[in-house]
Amino acid sequence: SAVISQKPSRDICQRGTSLTIQCQVDSQVTMMFWYRQQPGQSLTLIATANQGSEATYESGFVIDKFPISRPNLTFSTLTVSNMSPEDSSIYLCSDKPPLTEAFFGQGTRLTVV
Amino acid sequence: AQSVSQHNHHVILSEAASLELGCNYSYGGTVNLFWYVQYPGQHLQLLLKYFSGDPLVKGIKGFEAEFIKSKFSFNLRKPSVQWSDTAEYFCAVNPDTGRRALTFGSGTRLQVQP
Repeated sequence: SAVISQKPSRDICQRGTSLTIQCQVDSQVTMMFWYRQQPGQSLTLIATANQGSEATYESGFVIDKFPISRPNLTFSTLTVSNMSPEDSSIYLCSDKPPLTEAFFGQGTRLTVV
Repeated sequence: AQSVSQHNHHVILSEAASLELGCNYSYGGTVNLFWYVQYPGQHLQLLLKYFSGDPLVKGIKGFEAEFIKSKFSFNLRKPSVQWSDTAEYFCAVNPDTGRRALTFGSGTRLQVQP
């Protein structure tokens, strides 16, 4: 099973600023996924990050707000830009190899004040 | 678009009670199904998964789930819950089309009282 590490585990940020969340996987993975878990809600997919190409964003999410990098097969970053209190959420990265379950990082709990 | 419904948002049980959490999905094709658990402050962990074969799937910690294709359901069960089962439970679906991202249900918060 993959081990996925996220940094930071939590942060409190001022509105208007940006935060970059890092996700490190202990093995090479083709696709990585970024999810958001808003308070009291389920996980919503933000985007799929492939190495060597631009991320694919889900409806309601745009690159300007959530730029993603995927410089290699073990690492990805998600930036939450120009934050507002509505961005307060848990952000999770995951991978999911074919025919297995997804493995998740421990999440980044973001509070925007 | 596919969706996953978990009808029980918050369940409170006493220890040793039986548990059944409902999960229904809307995708009409072949799907892979998962139940994840999130203990307070911890990672999402896989409880069990269904890809094919026996529709009654056994997972960790005494949990099981039954895939009923005709009902588009994948309900989670445990015959006797423990206080340590207090957690949030998520049903997730992944169509068997190569897309690997999961669609999650809204989650069920289970509270087991000693």
